[in-house]
Amino acid sequence: DTAVSQTPKYLVTQMGNDKSIKCEQNLGHDTMYWYKQDSKKFLKIMFSYNNKELIINETVPNRFSPKSPDKAHLNLHINSLELGDSAVYFCASSQHVTGEGGSPLHFGNGTRLTVT
Amino acid sequence: GQNIDQPTEMTATEGAIVQINCTYQTSGFNGLFWYQQHAGEAPTFLSYNVLDGLEEKGRFSSFLSRSKGYSYLLLKELQMKDSASYLCAAVDSNYQLIWGAGTKLIIKP
Repeated sequence: DTAVSQTPKYLVTQMGNDKSIKCEQNLGHDTMYWYKQDSKKFLKIMFSYNNKELIINETVPNRFSPKSPDKAHLNLHINSLELGDSAVYFCASSQHVTGEGGSPLHFGNGTRLTVT
Repeated sequence: GQNIDQPTEMTATEGAIVQINCTYQTSGFNGLFWYQQHAGEAPTFLSYNVLDGLEEKGRFSSFLSRSKGYSYLLLKELQMKDSASYLCAAVDSNYQLIWGAGTKLIIKP
């Protein structure tokens, strides 16, 4: 199936640990994103990569580091996890840069991160 | 600052029609998206408007007025499966998506 897939779906870990979330898209899209959705359901852009180059790096703690080994993959590594990092993290992709020409985002199913 | 406003929650009856409004204030404007998000799932694309007017797609229609900074999503012949959150997102001059918090739509039999 053509899709955006991310793993794991659930991630429960303790404060201070380091974890990674993986994302892959087989849609042939040029741009990939990481979003954080908090308990109030706001979607906040964290990172955006276009053809493996970072084009958005919103004000997120440097404990979060994206890695894009190729155009189809964008992984998210988080160091020294904190309670406030608990949220749902969505990977997404689009054919062109955000919204350009009406290019919609295709989202992965999300990773629910719980930090205890 | 940039802002999207949409109602937090709406309730409607199965078979009826509901209109979900969205107002936006952005630095420049390059279109507006509507997404549907069922609880515990990913947002899925519904519509995109960049010109004024109504775009119809089956039971769902989306309207845009650029001069008023206003859009709405119209859902007809409501079904129980339409119970979800509906997210409005405007594209600013830098092609950044500005998201609303979503409108939770509850459908009652």
